[in-house]
Amino acid sequence: DAGITQSPRHKVTETGTPVTLRCHQTENHRYMYWYRQDPGHGLRLIHYSYGVKDTDKGEVSDGYSVSRSKTEDFLLTLESATSSQTSVYFCAISPGQRIGTDTQYFGPGTRLTVL
Amino acid sequence: AQSVSQHNHHVILSEAASLELGCNYSYGGTVNLFWYVQYPGQHLQLLLKYFSGDPLVKGIKGFEAEFIKSKFSFNLRKPSVQWSDTAEYFCAVNAAGNTGKLIFGQGTTLQVKP
Repeated sequence: DAGITQSPRHKVTETGTPVTLRCHQTENHRYMYWYRQDPGHGLRLIHYSYGVKDTDKGEVSDGYSVSRSKTEDFLLTLESATSSQTSVYFCAISPGQRIGTDTQYFGPGTRLTVL
Repeated sequence: AQSVSQHNHHVILSEAASLELGCNYSYGGTVNLFWYVQYPGQHLQLLLKYFSGDPLVKGIKGFEAEFIKSKFSFNLRKPSVQWSDTAEYFCAVNAAGNTGKLIFGQGTTLQVKP
């Protein structure tokens, strides 16, 4: 398995509170991604990073921000959590050598519940 | 915009039955195609991928998929399923030359009865 950890693994929070999820990799891969998984929707890309301090939006980026100050860490922040952000969040990494065909390796996921 | 459609949301099979899961995508250009699997309680892992060459791609655990460009399809097959194949299966598409952004289908839950 690729060296990807996510923390926390489970979190329950209240509406309006800020939440930060962390993805940490030990593979020195260039690309990192945040997805959310919801029933009936598969996985949807929130944000991704193609290098330190280089990030861009995915298809469901509203209400989320990201930061990448080191190659190994990619943080996802919900500035003010809402119930619609209750989901399972997956981080993924890829080497970026042949970006279109690279396999993405997924972390174990974080289950977030917003009450 | 790209989209991916998986026709079967929930499939139930008996062991040794043959499997075919449908996947269609909408994008007019060159694409790279993936099938991922998520076993219960686990993270996603790659089953197989196609980006060029032989349109029949073989993956892990006896799975294969066929890319039919004229039908915009990339169906997943396995001749004989096992109970351990019980999982959720996701088709994903990446527009070649893109930044690695994957568009996933909704997923198909496969339940294999022993």
